[in-house]
Amino acid sequence: DTAVSQTPKYLVTQMGNDKSIKCEQNLGHDTMYWYKQDSKKFLKIMFSYNNKELIINETVPNRFSPKSPDKAHLNLHINSLELGDSAVYFCASSPQGTSGNTIYFGEGSWLTVV
Amino acid sequence: DAKTTQPTSMDCAEGRAANLPCNHSTISGNEYVYWYRQIHSQGPQYIIHGLKNNETNEMASLIITEDRKSSTLILPHATLRDTAVYYCIAHFVFGPGTRLSVLP
Repeated sequence: DTAVSQTPKYLVTQMGNDKSIKCEQNLGHDTMYWYKQDSKKFLKIMFSYNNKELIINETVPNRFSPKSPDKAHLNLHINSLELGDSAVYFCASSPQGTSGNTIYFGEGSWLTVV
Repeated sequence: DAKTTQPTSMDCAEGRAANLPCNHSTISGNEYVYWYRQIHSQGPQYIIHGLKNNETNEMASLIITEDRKSSTLILPHATLRDTAVYYCIAHFVFGPGTRLSVLP
């Protein structure tokens, strides 16, 4: 059973398109995250939701919009894709809050914008 | 948010202990230190965490200094499969990590 699953695993799309990456966790966790790992391999947090409420929103273009229909899901919508959006996007979850809790990561979604 | 600093890369001979240091001098009193690793571009994998006391689990040991300004992750018998990027984090912010290469 996959704890944190994200789809699609691979996505190749053209500039200007709008795409979504879905994430689901079956761990019963209250907090979910989206991280971006670019070509330099730095893992940067983008968003964090706790019980469907946005609690962390780092400096991310407003073309990126997270949506949490329930606490087990956190989807990432990206509008007007740009070449620089090419990266691996990791979804993650933790039991509660953002301190003192282990973060469990999904396997990543590889986005390539051409 | 506490920031951590780690060496960019380290080598270790297979079968020997790998000791990975981390400085976290700005960590607050109630912040845990977490260690993760990332093999190739898989999702980061949790290894161990601690607050004040040293910790050990089936994967590794974590030694935290008394002043909590630094810690060391110890892989007691490194194998080739331990080659990965190791991240020491406090709170949820990842730094560039240490690329550990286990050599045959």
